[in-house]
Amino acid sequence: SQQGEEDPQALSIQEGENATMNCSYKTSINNLQWYRQNSGRGLVHLILIRSNEREKHSGRLRVTLDTSKKSSSLLITASRAADTASYFCATDERGAGNNRKLIWGLGTSLAVNP
Amino acid sequence: DAGVTQSPTHLIKTRGQQVTLRCSPKSGHDTVSWYQQALGQGPQFIFQYYEEEERQRGNFPDRFSGHQFPNYSSELNVNALLLGDSALYLCASRGWTNEKLFFGSGTQLSVL
Repeated sequence: SQQGEEDPQALSIQEGENATMNCSYKTSINNLQWYRQNSGRGLVHLILIRSNEREKHSGRLRVTLDTSKKSSSLLITASRAADTASYFCATDERGAGNNRKLIWGLGTSLAVNP
Repeated sequence: DAGVTQSPTHLIKTRGQQVTLRCSPKSGHDTVSWYQQALGQGPQFIFQYYEEEERQRGNFPDRFSGHQFPNYSSELNVNALLLGDSALYLCASRGWTNEKLFFGSGTQLSVL
């Protein structure tokens, strides 16, 4: 079953603009991760934010986490055509030890037009 | 340093057949998990292997089974294929104490 719900489902912007994607989830988590997928192939890890963190940056990426609202956002600044991809949030549910599994949302399809 | 490798890349089967998909984890990784991704959907967790044992399982029927070998590589087996099993099957690896997953490029399975 899907835990996360990304919104919007699809986003189309011009190069240079910022793109914001949101993710909501349902249960308590250890961390929340964002991944990128090009053309329905393998996923690439972008950034991880732990449940005790509120904001994290990595290059042009900024992630926020609000555990009270069970939501996260991913901001891509100064977007490029190469950022065109699907973006997924995945929540790492609280569990015993290192026995982790990620629960995924449906993804946001981002198109950056040159 | 080779990343996660999966084989085959594409596979076409007919209903009722059986299929085996293979995965070699990234060097240094000992934990392998498998995901099913239908078109337009997010990945769905199938199961995870560590120390040659299935450690966690998602909501998939017993037709889906797996194995992990001493060299940490893994296989996913699906028996009695159904049309609904058509999907991209993704393998991901990590170190047992790590949180970040590394994915292979997937195997696209079509069941006719």
